[in-house]
Amino acid sequence: EAGVAQSPRYKIIEKRQSVAFWCNPISGHATLYWYQQILGQGPKLLIQFQNNGVVDDSQLPKDRFSAERLKGVDSTLKIQPAKLEDSAVYLCASSPLRGASTDTQYFGPGTRLTVL
Amino acid sequence: GQQLNQSPQSMFIQEGEDVSMNCTSSSIFNTWLWYKQDPGEGPVLLIALYKAGELTSNGRLTAQFGITRKDSFLNISASIPSDVGIYFCAGDDSWGKLQFGAGTQVVVTP
Repeated sequence: EAGVAQSPRYKIIEKRQSVAFWCNPISGHATLYWYQQILGQGPKLLIQFQNNGVVDDSQLPKDRFSAERLKGVDSTLKIQPAKLEDSAVYLCASSPLRGASTDTQYFGPGTRLTVL
Repeated sequence: GQQLNQSPQSMFIQEGEDVSMNCTSSSIFNTWLWYKQDPGEGPVLLIALYKAGELTSNGRLTAQFGITRKDSFLNISASIPSDVGIYFCAGDDSWGKLQFGAGTQVVVTP
């Protein structure tokens, strides 16, 4: 079974530029998550989708971050405009069911973003 | 929001030694999880704990869900070189919303 796919793996941009990340979850997984992992910290949840609907985006900085999962499968996360403090690894995860606490989340390899 | 305190921040151990790390929270969690992250990869689930007082093993790994539901620990017995990595605790308060600790970096020397 293929894992969670993410692209690109690395991205370097200048501040105030825009950037987009793509995630393809494990086939059939209903719930998709985007996390931000700053160097030296644990992942922090940005947004959770169930199918194509948003379950939780309380920690998403909505003035500059946006995410969509239009067909309930793959997802994109966008930052516009980027700030220096957005430098981090952006992890995508998926889980089979409806995001219950007993539902295992499978993580992709992440996209490492550097903002100069 | 809830804060997870994970300790120690890093550990340098010799191959064959046991490793212990723990995580405490200011509030209650319904589920405690332990993940391992290798460089350039996403976290991988090691052990999941669903009930206060639960003690669960996965090979050389043993984890416990504290009876107060505010803490958990992970033990690794007889460490080997491939145990190197960053170990994260995570608490789930409801519906899969995980909060992670800052991680414990484990370095194993021969």
